[in-house]
Amino acid sequence: SQQGEEDPQALSIQEGENATMNCSYKTSINNLQWYRQNSGRGLVHLILIRSNEREKHSGRLRVTLDTSKKSSSLLITASRAADTASYFCATDAKTSGSRLTFGEGTQLTVNP
Amino acid sequence: DAGITQSPRHKVTETGTPVTLRCHQTENHRYMYWYRQDPGHGLRLIHYSYGVKDTDKGEVSDGYSVSRSKTEDFLLTLESATSSQTSVYFCAISEGAGLGNEQFFGPGTRLTVL
Repeated sequence: SQQGEEDPQALSIQEGENATMNCSYKTSINNLQWYRQNSGRGLVHLILIRSNEREKHSGRLRVTLDTSKKSSSLLITASRAADTASYFCATDAKTSGSRLTFGEGTQLTVNP
Repeated sequence: DAGITQSPRHKVTETGTPVTLRCHQTENHRYMYWYRQDPGHGLRLIHYSYGVKDTDKGEVSDGYSVSRSKTEDFLLTLESATSSQTSVYFCAISEGAGLGNEQFFGPGTRLTVL
């Protein structure tokens, strides 16, 4: 089964609204990463948060990590139509070496 | 997609034929990965490499083999293609564990097995 599971599977919002996506995982991790995938393209790394960090910001992105609940959230503020994409969390488990395990993703649609 | 290319980008083949996909990087990263992406399954790791001639299996390695004879090239071979291997295949690279291990992805190869 997937190490990371995103929730919701799909999210539709209006431009200017905030979008929140959640990720849950099962084992102890070194870090958790979020990626974006535009339709028909490869994944693009957005942000990495280490297991000893609780919150991280990058532009309009805010990521939180709660290792006690084994969960993370990605918040995109003031969304734009260009944010329409699939978003994936990926976990680097302590026992996995350099491998990442990806969730199934959240499909975000931002309506103009 | 900078620094990572995949070839071919699209391929249609018939069941039972061998197929080789190529991933080429210009970043000199140590680690290279092959994933497949299917609806309802996200990305699943097929094989990965942690150096020249050093490879290991991922979670869905059956029916696939890989080779890495040079730092820049990582080949994925479907020994005898089946319809269940119809998928989009992504190559990724990373500097490796302990360095953040964020991965950089190629543009993907869409493979259809008839």
